[in-house]
Amino acid sequence: GESVGLHLPTLSVQEGDNSIINCAYSNSASDYFIWYKQESGKGPQFIIDIRSNMDKRQGQRVTVLLNKTVKHLSLQIAATQPGDSAVYFCAENRGNTGKLIFGQGTTLQVKP
Amino acid sequence: DAGITQSPRYKITETGRQVTLMCHQTWSHSYMFWYRQDLGHGLRLIYYSAAADITDKGEVPDGYVVSRSKTENFPLTLESATRSQTSVYFCASVRGVNYEQYFGPGTRLTVT
Repeated sequence: GESVGLHLPTLSVQEGDNSIINCAYSNSASDYFIWYKQESGKGPQFIIDIRSNMDKRQGQRVTVLLNKTVKHLSLQIAATQPGDSAVYFCAENRGNTGKLIFGQGTTLQVKP
Repeated sequence: DAGITQSPRYKITETGRQVTLMCHQTWSHSYMFWYRQDLGHGLRLIYYSAAADITDKGEVPDGYVVSRSKTENFPLTLESATRSQTSVYFCASVRGVNYEQYFGPGTRLTVT
């Protein structure tokens, strides 16, 4: 079935290094994608989004890349900090319902 | 304060009891959503609402009932709680299609 998925359940990086979290999606009709960060005991928090007419979008220390040819989405975090430790979810919006389909999540662990 | 709130934050109930989880948002967002989050399943959509008095099923609606008489409130009721409904429940809202959803802090529900 169609799904949004992340390649790795856990990613461990050294503080100060760059992190790359990947996500694959299967529905070529999806036109909007979001990355969320979820810290322990809290609700998901919006990080950055990208629409299908773009292939790159930058925020503060974060960049999202969208490759529609291979249906791949990635989140890059520059100079990873301990406060970046969390679970990261990608999500896609299909159609005009406002609904999001979430991937399983990748746990980012930042080593001091 | 503006935002999205959920109550209660923690709830323990017995099998067979009726439980209602409350969600309130102050942005007058049209769309509201209920998710459950379990280990290994990420976020799964239970019900959503596109506007007051308009609701629809998500991925896992069985055992749940929703209503939306006012734009700002979207209560979720477990009519007869089962142990399999032990989970963390998140409410979210969004102003429209292809915009980010804002999540509440979650309700941790335990059914004994």
